Formats: sequence, structure tokens, C-alpha cells
Amino acid sequence: AQSVTQPDIHITVSEGASLELRCNYSYGATPYLFWYVQSPGQGLQLLLKYFSGDTLVQGIKGFEAEFKRSQSSFNLRKPSVHWSDAAEYFCAVGAWAGSYQLTFGKGTKLSVIP
Amino acid sequence: EAQVTQNPRYLITVTGKKLTVTCSQNMNHEYMSWYRQDPGLGLRQIYYSMNVEVTDKGDVPEGYKVSRKEKRNFPLILESPSPNQTSLYFCASSLDRDNQPQHFGDGTRLSIL
Repeated sequence: AQSVTQPDIHITVSEGASLELRCNYSYGATPYLFWYVQSPGQGLQLLLKYFSGDTLVQGIKGFEAEFKRSQSSFNLRKPSVHWSDAAEYFCAVGAWAGSYQLTFGKGTKLSVIP
Repeated sequence: EAQVTQNPRYLITVTGKKLTVTCSQNMNHEYMSWYRQDPGLGLRQIYYSMNVEVTDKGDVPEGYKVSRKEKRNFPLILESPSPNQTSLYFCASSLDRDNQPQHFGDGTRLSIL
């Protein structure tokens, strides 16, 4: 079965600073990879996804992520963070293991200092 | 407006009293799923459905049932709720397994006393 690790539980950055959220996965082949964002009291919104092809993926709200097979990573980046980006971010892996399962990491909470 | 609607949004109930959380989507999506979200554990998939009458277990199916009698609805049933099922639950749907994004409902907060 696949697994997802988000090493950082909580990250604080200043507004305007760059951001990188880490995600590592464990799976025997290349899985489907996703990043979601959850604002307080809300459901999850998809930021971007990777299925195949170009390993640098552009998403909504100025986010991008890079798939690195050799490192089993799919880190999320943003060059300049806005206060409205404060939320919780989840990396997820979708894979077939007899049946299709979508597994989420435990999340990284992002705080933004004005 | 495209949406996934869950009801109720909040429920406090007692151990052993059967309850159903409804989920409905208006996008004609084939794929629907249920998750529970607990602090420090992220989201864990309970059940999913690839299409009408096709359901399968996710990571944490114990204590839950689902049904998919029609495309738009995917209710989550707790036959005999227990306190360890106190959680925040999300329903999600997507066009099919491969065609993300999954659209999430706003969540149902269940408290089992």
C-alpha cells in the first residue's frame, strides 16, 4: 500500500517570502499525486495534480509542484506568499493496489506573518 | 452551481443510535468517496464508489456502510455509532477515478457521546 509523509506539521512564513512544502511518498510505481488546500471550516480544494509527463506542474493560486522520481517527492512551491494562503495543505497519493485508493498526508499548517 | 451537498452539517448523538449522513452531487460524477478527518491524521478514505452499485473499502471502513443506488447520492451509514467515530466527515466526487479534481462537500461534524 502507498503512504504519504509531510514532514512539517506547521510552517510560518512572512508575507512575500517564498514557500516550499515537502511531500514524500512510498509506492512501487509512479502514483497519481495531488496537493489540496483546506481553509478553516471548509472542504478541500485541489491545487494541482500530476499523472504523467512534465514533472513541473502548475496549479491554481500561483502554486507549482515538482515531481522527483529519484527522491519520491512532490514538493509544493510558491514564489511569494500572500496572507490569504494561510491554510492547511495536504499532499495525496492515488494508486491501484487491487482497488483504487487515495491516501492523504497528515497535512502542513501554513501561517503567514503580515 | 456545481456542488457536493452533505447533510447534516453538525450532529450530536449517542452511542448505538443508527445515523445516516447524506451526500448528493449535481455534476453527474461517477466517482464518489467518503473521508474522515482527525487531528494529526489528515484525511483517511472510508469507502469509495466507482459507479452505481459499485462500492469498495478505503483505508478505514470498519463501522461504516455505504450504498450507491443512484449516481447522485452516496450516503454514509453508521449502524451502531461509537465514540471513536467522532470526527469530521467529507464527501467528495469526481467525473471518474482519473479525472480529478475531486469536489469536496463542506463537511459534517459528528459527535458520538
